[in-house]
Amino acid sequence: DAGVIQSPRHEVTEMGQEVTLRCKPISGHDYLFWYRQTMMRGLELLIYFNNNVPIDDSGMPEDRFSAKMPNASFSTLKIQPSEPRDSAVYFCASWGTGGTVGYGYTFGSGTRLTVV
Amino acid sequence: RKEVEQDPGPFNVPEGATVAFNCTYSNSASQSFFWYRQDCRKEPKLLMSVYSSGNEDGRFTAQLNRASQYISLLIRDSKLSDSATYLCVVNMMEYGNKLVFGAGTILRVKS
Repeated sequence: DAGVIQSPRHEVTEMGQEVTLRCKPISGHDYLFWYRQTMMRGLELLIYFNNNVPIDDSGMPEDRFSAKMPNASFSTLKIQPSEPRDSAVYFCASWGTGGTVGYGYTFGSGTRLTVV
Repeated sequence: RKEVEQDPGPFNVPEGATVAFNCTYSNSASQSFFWYRQDCRKEPKLLMSVYSSGNEDGRFTAQLNRASQYISLLIRDSKLSDSATYLCVVNMMEYGNKLVFGAGTILRVKS
């Protein structure tokens, strides 16, 4: 299994530009999560999907952030327009209810975003 | 009050030492608990689940105290390779399957 795949690994962009982060969950997993990690705030859950449907987006910081999951194998997190305070590592994670909660989530390697 | 709280450390210990971390959670309805490990500039990885009866995996022992709402992780015979950040994680199942992460405890094992 290839695991959770995120792209790009690194992104440097100018303030005001649109940024799109991508995630491919593990095949068969029906939950997908987007987290953001900063030194100040740690790991924060932004949004999660179950069977491609957004369940809880209460962690999305503001309207500049949006997330989609058009099918079971792909999700995007978009920031438009980006701001320097959006600089962070963004992780995608997936989990399958066919397994057991005891196995927790599997994280992708993350996208390190820098907005200058 | 934060949903999951941990002492950020750092804990600086010599090789071979025993070290323990505690974590408290606020939601008494929480039902699943985990310890994750995160190395510098890497993604979090599941270290172990925490069961009500306590569980052990080699040098690692996890305990859960539901009455006091805390979780612990004990590492025996510390190795240099144990140096990492340890994240306490709680599944807020009343909100669906949503893992909430503590801020992490930094462990540095020195020779």
